[in-house]
Amino acid sequence: KQEVTQIPAALSVPEGENLVLNCSFTDSAIYNLQWFRQDPGKGLTSLLLIQSSQREQTSGRLNASLDKSSGRSTLYIAASQPGDSATYLCAVNSPSGTDKLIFGTGTRLQVFP
Amino acid sequence: DTAVSQTPKYLVTQMGNDKSIKCEQNLGHDTMYWYKQDSKKFLKIMFSYNNKELIINETVPNRFSPKSPDKAHLNLHINSLELGDSAVYFCASGPGSFYGCTFGSGTRLTVV
Repeated sequence: KQEVTQIPAALSVPEGENLVLNCSFTDSAIYNLQWFRQDPGKGLTSLLLIQSSQREQTSGRLNASLDKSSGRSTLYIAASQPGDSATYLCAVNSPSGTDKLIFGTGTRLQVFP
Repeated sequence: DTAVSQTPKYLVTQMGNDKSIKCEQNLGHDTMYWYKQDSKKFLKIMFSYNNKELIINETVPNRFSPKSPDKAHLNLHINSLELGDSAVYFCASGPGSFYGCTFGSGTRLTVV
């Protein structure tokens, strides 16, 4: 059974720092891994999607890497800003015969000025 | 312009009532989903439909009944609401297993 864990659960940093958020999954047989952002009381915004054959994806100040063999993904945020404050969720799509996302528990990030 | 839209955004109702949440996507995706986010913010799949056909029913009580009149719509009807049904319900859609999902903005259901 696929399980997804995110560390740390919460993170508070000053503006300008570079950050690494971690996601680990127990079953390396995945189709893809997706990172989302959720603002308080809001929906999920997709940030990056990494296919199982890819090692990383980049969008602006965000870079996500995937190491399938070790069951890990990291989300790197460069030069963090207060506007980056949100909860970050990773989710994997596993070929278990059904098409569904299995979510991690999230990392709540606060970037203060 | 909204890709996945849900209504209503907020729903407050009494125990025992029946309520529905509607979802529509204009992305042309074949697959639609309902996810539930509980009070601890954990997201878990409830249902998925592919081209109007039920694919996943993740051991959800049968008080919850999804209905897909066409592949662009997936509605969720809940009978005999209980306090424990209070949560945020997210609709999502996707083109298939190898691709990502697009989520709606959620419906916050509060049962009192």
